Formats: sequence, C-alpha cells, structure tokens
Amino acid sequence: AQRVTQPEKLLSVFKGAPVELKCNYSYSGSPELFWYVQYSRQRLQLLLRHISRESIKGFTADLNKGETSFHLKKPFAQEEDSAMYYCALSVETSGSRLTFGEGTQLTVNP
Amino acid sequence: DSGVTQTPKHLITATGQRVTLRCSPRSGDLSVYWYQQSLDQGLQFLIHYYNGEERAKGNILERFSAQQFPDLHSELNLSSLELGDSALYFCASSPLLDWAGAQYFGPGTRLLVL
Repeated sequence: AQRVTQPEKLLSVFKGAPVELKCNYSYSGSPELFWYVQYSRQRLQLLLRHISRESIKGFTADLNKGETSFHLKKPFAQEEDSAMYYCALSVETSGSRLTFGEGTQLTVNP
Repeated sequence: DSGVTQTPKHLITATGQRVTLRCSPRSGDLSVYWYQQSLDQGLQFLIHYYNGEERAKGNILERFSAQQFPDLHSELNLSSLELGDSALYFCASSPLLDWAGAQYFGPGTRLLVL
C-alpha cells in the first residue's frame, strides 16, 4: 500500500528565510502528489499539485521520482505562511482516495 | 457560499449513541469523500461516493455507514459510539471520478464522545 511520510512534525523559521517542508512517499508507480494547507481553525485548502506545475503563494514543489519525494519550497517565508501543511498522494489503482502524511506545523517567526 | 458545507460544526454525545453528520458538496460536484482526522491516526480516508453510488471504502468501521442522496448531499452515520471515535470528520468533494483531481474540503465536524 502507498504511504506518505513527512519527517518533521514541527518546523520553525524566521521571516524572509527559505523554507522546505519534506515529503517522501512509497509507491512503485506514478502517483499524483498534492500539498494541502490548513490555517488555524480553517478548512484544508489545496495549495498545489504536481500535475498542474503551478506556483501558489510563492510555493513550489518538484516531484523527484528517483528519491520518491515531493518537497515543498518557498524562497522567502512570510508570517502568514504559518500553518499546518499536509502532503497527500493519490494513485490510479486506489481510486480517488487521498493518502495523507502526518503533517508539518510551520511557524514563521518575525 | 458555494464551497463544501458540513453540519453540525460541533457535536458532543455519549458512548453508545448514534449521530449523523451531513455534507453538501460544491455546486456541480458529483464526488463526495469522508475523512477522519484524529490525533493518533492522522487524516484517514473513510469512504467515497460518486453520483449516489459507493465507489471506494477505506478504514471505515462496520459501525459507520454513509450514503449520498439524489441531490448529492451525503450523510455519515456513526453508531454505537466509543470514546475513540472522537475526532474531526471532514467531507470533501470533487467534480468527477478523476483519481488525479483535486478535492475540496469542508470545515469539518468536531465530534466528542464522552
């Protein structure tokens, strides 16, 4: 079965510093990868997904099939980026269900 | 608000009871998904409905059931509740049966079983 791992439960950076949230997955085929963000007391929101190759709020993520990773990056963190970030995976053989990582709580300090 | 809506926002009940959580998908979305978020299990997929039909089941207990109605809203029924069922229950929707498509989440229902 597929699995998503986010090795850091907590990540703290200063405003203006680069940030990278790690995501590794285990699946032998070609998955679709997503990043969802959950701001305090709000719903999960789609941040970006691999297939659309877009950049949202300055965040980007590159799928590395060799390392089975989909790390989320932003060159200059902002205080409003403080939130819970979830990496998720979907595979064709499992229908449309999302498999989520445990999440990383990002705090951007002033 | 044309987004996914869920009612109630909060629910407090006792062990052994039965509750129903309701979800209305985004306008035009045919797929509805249910997820459970708990401290020890994280975000877990429960069940998926598409246009009224069950499409996939995840780690859903036999005490739990769901359905999607002709107007596309969905209900998740939880019975014989146990303390461990306390969690945040999310509903999500998407337009089609696209396994690679994005899902759009509701605000969740926070269930507390005492």
